[in-house]
Amino acid sequence: EAQLVETGGDLVQPGGSLRLSCATSGFSFTSFYLAWVRQAPGKGLEWVARSANENDRYVTDYAASVKGRFTISRDHSKKSVHLQMNSLRAEDTAVYYCVRESWWSYEAWGRGTLVTVSS
Amino acid sequence: DVVVTQSPLILPVTLGQPASISCRSSQSLVDRNGNTYLSWFQQRPGQSPRRLIFQVSNRDSGVPDRFSGSGSGTDFTLEISRVEAEDVAVYYCMQGSQWPMYTFGQGTKLEIK
Repeated sequence: EAQLVETGGDLVQPGGSLRLSCATSGFSFTSFYLAWVRQAPGKGLEWVARSANENDRYVTDYAASVKGRFTISRDHSKKSVHLQMNSLRAEDTAVYYCVRESWWSYEAWGRGTLVTVSS
Repeated sequence: DVVVTQSPLILPVTLGQPASISCRSSQSLVDRNGNTYLSWFQQRPGQSPRRLIFQVSNRDSGVPDRFSGSGSGTDFTLEISRVEAEDVAVYYCMQGSQWPMYTFGQGTKLEIK
């Protein structure tokens, strides 16, 4: 069974940086697309960033709202995916979920980690 | 971007009665290969979302058969044949046809009357 466990959420000031991590297990790390999806408090779901699989050469994509500020990356030795978040804004406040893609959809979800951007 | 709109946003249902949620996209979700990537998710209070349905009508493993998905083109529906107490949740549809920009509906909150 696929498991994804997010860590790294915290309270950070506007303009600051934070790095989220997602430890994966129970599936072939190189075979799947992995992504980050966020949910602002009391709001809906928003795709943030994606890392393609080995077959698609780990190409990355970003939502327009985070492009140039966020970077998704993989650590193959630890089977982890990271989200480096820079120049954080109040509107980035959300629970960030690590997800595994399959069938052009999000098949497995972690429990999420809360990022709060506030002074 | 493909905009996905759900209705209703709040759905009061009596236990044991059916429920239906509509999801409409601003453009057809049929891709060049004839596939349609529309999924449904359930988010119970305090939990992560859980996928119920993918590619319009395919139930994920472990999802009760009282949940079913249907539709085509731009109009899709999630139906629950007989609502149970454990179905209280927010339900989201999501399009995966405009890659990589997957977009979600606003969510429908199912509550018990």
